[in-house]
Amino acid sequence: AQSVTQLDSQVPVFEEAPVELRCNYSSSVSVYLFWYVQYPNQGLQLLLKYLSGSTLVKGINGFEAEFNKSQTSFHLRKPSVHISDTAEYFCAVSDPGYGNKLVFGAGTILRVKS
Amino acid sequence: NAGVTQTPKFRVLKTGQSMTLLCAQDMNHEYMYWYRQDPGMGLRLIHYSVGEGTTAKGEVPDGYNVSRLKKQNFLLGLESAAPSQTSVYFCASIRLGGEQYFGPGTRLTVT
Repeated sequence: AQSVTQLDSQVPVFEEAPVELRCNYSSSVSVYLFWYVQYPNQGLQLLLKYLSGSTLVKGINGFEAEFNKSQTSFHLRKPSVHISDTAEYFCAVSDPGYGNKLVFGAGTILRVKS
Repeated sequence: NAGVTQTPKFRVLKTGQSMTLLCAQDMNHEYMYWYRQDPGMGLRLIHYSVGEGTTAKGEVPDGYNVSRLKKQNFLLGLESAAPSQTSVYFCASIRLGGEQYFGPGTRLTVT
């Protein structure tokens, strides 16, 4: 079965600093990969997705992620964070089997400090 | 388009009571899902449906039932609520290419 590991449960960072949120997944077969963001007391919003093609994926709000098949990783990066980026971020991988199910990581809370 | 909507937004139940959560989508999506979100555990799949009249179990199905009588609606039922079912419940539907669209969530407390 698929599994997703988000290596950091919390990441504190100062405003305007770069940040990387790490995500590893278990499958070696072709998968779709996603990053979602959840602001306090809200639902999930898609940041970016990798389906195929270029391994560097750009998303909304200045985020990007790099798909690394050999390391089964899909790390999320932003060169300069803002206070408004404070949220919980979820990495997810599609299950290529029946039902196109998503398997989520446990989440990483990004805390941006001024 | 309203996207994915969930009813109700909040609910408090006593142990043993029953309730139904409604998820509706107006995007003509075939696949629909119910997840629960608990602190430090991400989202876990409860049940899902690949089309009208079909349902299947996810990772944590015990204590829940579902029905998909109409393509646009996916119902999640709790027959006898337990405190362990206190959680935030999210519904989602999917379009071609794998991107899931999520509803705003239902916060359920079982006392």
